[in-house]
Amino acid sequence: RKEVEQDPGPFNVPEGATVAFNCTYSNSASQSFFWYRQDCRKEPKLLMSVYSSGNEDGRFTAQLNRASQYISLLIRDSKLSDSATYLCVVTIRGSTLGRLYFGRGTQLTVWP
Amino acid sequence: DTEVTQTPKHLVMGMTNKKSLKCEQHMGHRAMYWYKQKAKKPPELMFVYSYEKLSINESVPSRFSPECPNSSLLNLHLHALQPEDSALYLCASSQSLQGSYGYTFGSGTRLTVV
Repeated sequence: RKEVEQDPGPFNVPEGATVAFNCTYSNSASQSFFWYRQDCRKEPKLLMSVYSSGNEDGRFTAQLNRASQYISLLIRDSKLSDSATYLCVVTIRGSTLGRLYFGRGTQLTVWP
Repeated sequence: DTEVTQTPKHLVMGMTNKKSLKCEQHMGHRAMYWYKQKAKKPPELMFVYSYEKLSINESVPSRFSPECPNSSLLNLHLHALQPEDSALYLCASSQSLQGSYGYTFGSGTRLTVV
């Protein structure tokens, strides 16, 4: 069973739309949670960490539900530049030194 | 300096060649990683260095040989690779040995084995 599961999409939305991505993790010892963004043929870049209280950064809102082992990312007022693959990532307490466990990524295309 | 720098950005090598990938960071991060990423797949962990010592080798074939000369540098030596080794090779570093703050990734080396 994979540590992190994501719907691979693709999601195709018009500019200005609101889009939500979901992710589940299987290990209850999962400790830190992140959303990374990866543009085509580029490296992953940290978009935001995810905290239990939920957190917001401009148009982006991340939520964590530890009881359901579920993470979400909401993007409001989508821009063309938001087109990318979004990777759900966790660390697991006691596992390999700081190892990140990646979901397979959700592809987003925003069209004009 | 908040970057991880990887060279070269692109590399084409034959199956009998020896080449090296280089990675450098000056953020004082004591954990450094090599990942391999194939198209449309998430990154896969290869090696973990902690305080310049190899901590984890994720059953990587011996044709990949990592080296950490000092706390800022990480190399990946390549020898007798196969075409299926063609991929994006990503170096990363982490402030926390638990990965609590995520990683900073380099821009990667896109490797093609012919």
